[in-house]
Amino acid sequence: EAQVTQNPRYLITVTGKKLTVTCSQNMNHEYMSWYRQDPGLGLRQIYYSMNVEVTDKGDVPEGYKVSRKEKRNFPLILESPSPNQTSLYFCASSLDGSYEQYFGPGTRLTVT
Amino acid sequence: EDKVVQSPLSLVVHEGDTVTLNCSYEVTNFRSLLWYKQEKKAPTFLFMLTSSGIEKKSGRLSSILDKKELFSILNITATQTGDSAVYLCAVEGKNSGAGSYQLTFGKGTKLSVIP
Repeated sequence: EAQVTQNPRYLITVTGKKLTVTCSQNMNHEYMSWYRQDPGLGLRQIYYSMNVEVTDKGDVPEGYKVSRKEKRNFPLILESPSPNQTSLYFCASSLDGSYEQYFGPGTRLTVT
Repeated sequence: EDKVVQSPLSLVVHEGDTVTLNCSYEVTNFRSLLWYKQEKKAPTFLFMLTSSGIEKKSGRLSSILDKKELFSILNITATQTGDSAVYLCAVEGKNSGAGSYQLTFGKGTKLSVIP
């Protein structure tokens, strides 16, 4: 089954404790992206990747890192999480940026 | 900075009504406009529009793009309670810094269909 998976689905952590949210797709898509969704602000792009080893900042990259060492995986790293990073995070992938994006199920992160 | 504005923000209709959702945009080097439906989970893709004046249709949903006036509409006819969701509009534009494309989302229109 074609899908985008994210782990964990829910995470509660404390300020400053490094964490990684994994994202994996099995569709051989070149384009992958991370978004955060906050009430009243909609979906905002954090980082995206056009292909392996090619990443670029989206609209709200501060406080996040990404890597794309393999085509299928695109982890999101928060080196020192802060409460303002409490949000719902979505990973998405597509054949390239102009095709429909398939979204993962979301990761709800709470930073206390 | 790329901008996507959706209206209305929220809409309540009765089953059977027809609704029109609006999306206007300002984007550098426009490539495509996409509509998504989001229920209590991840967004799911509805339409991608790249050319003006060509209607895309799927069942009771249809959408059209006007590249001259920089907007798109999503129509839903004979609404059902299952259409209740947030409808997101996203526009793909070129990131002048890196030369690559990225999506900018609007804040969404929350549609509630009551029996």
